[in-house]
Amino acid sequence: DTEVTQTPKHLVMGMTNKKSLKCEQHMGHRAMYWYKQKAKKPPELMFVYSYEKLSINESVPSRFSPECPNSSLLNLHLHALQPEDSALYLCASSQVAEYEQYFGPGTRLTVT
Amino acid sequence: GQNIDQPTEMTATEGAIVQINCTYQTSGFNGLFWYQQHAGEAPTFLSYNVLDGLEEKGRFSSFLSRSKGYSYLLLKELQMKDSASYLCAPYSGAGSYQLTFGKGTKLSVIP
Repeated sequence: DTEVTQTPKHLVMGMTNKKSLKCEQHMGHRAMYWYKQKAKKPPELMFVYSYEKLSINESVPSRFSPECPNSSLLNLHLHALQPEDSALYLCASSQVAEYEQYFGPGTRLTVT
Repeated sequence: GQNIDQPTEMTATEGAIVQINCTYQTSGFNGLFWYQQHAGEAPTFLSYNVLDGLEEKGRFSSFLSRSKGYSYLLLKELQMKDSASYLCAPYSGAGSYQLTFGKGTKLSVIP
């Protein structure tokens, strides 16, 4: 199984809503990542989890809250988002730092 | 900090060869990734160069010169399905899992 799955595929939420994005992999990878990608831009790293511990937070606003409940799951909790947060949110995982990152299909988020 | 430079767009003909260049300046360097991203889809891994030189993998080859801060991706026998964005990503190495992508090169393959 070389697949990273993400749910939901599409999400529309208001600025006062609370929602969560989910990511799952069963490849035994111990590093998991959240990226944000705006249209016609490259993915930008948001968070990195290593062995279920947050190792990198790229100065992301607190309205984005990551969680790694176990080695296979990665969540991104969303609260009080702004319209400019509308983007494709990509999850990825890798075995160790030098290995390729496997990306999920992404969640297309629209904040109204 | 990191500075990564790639051409924004390129156009090439089906069956031809195209070279996509990437120059980088990074504070730490271990190797360089190339990823392919079709419109509306997730990036997929193409190559990872650690040592200087050319690495060939089927129709795709990737070259790295660490001293010059330069890499290129070579695509041979272009096919229409190769139309995509190609992302260059220097990797800083041990202790950091960060991939910082360049802005990407949008390649259009025409008949």
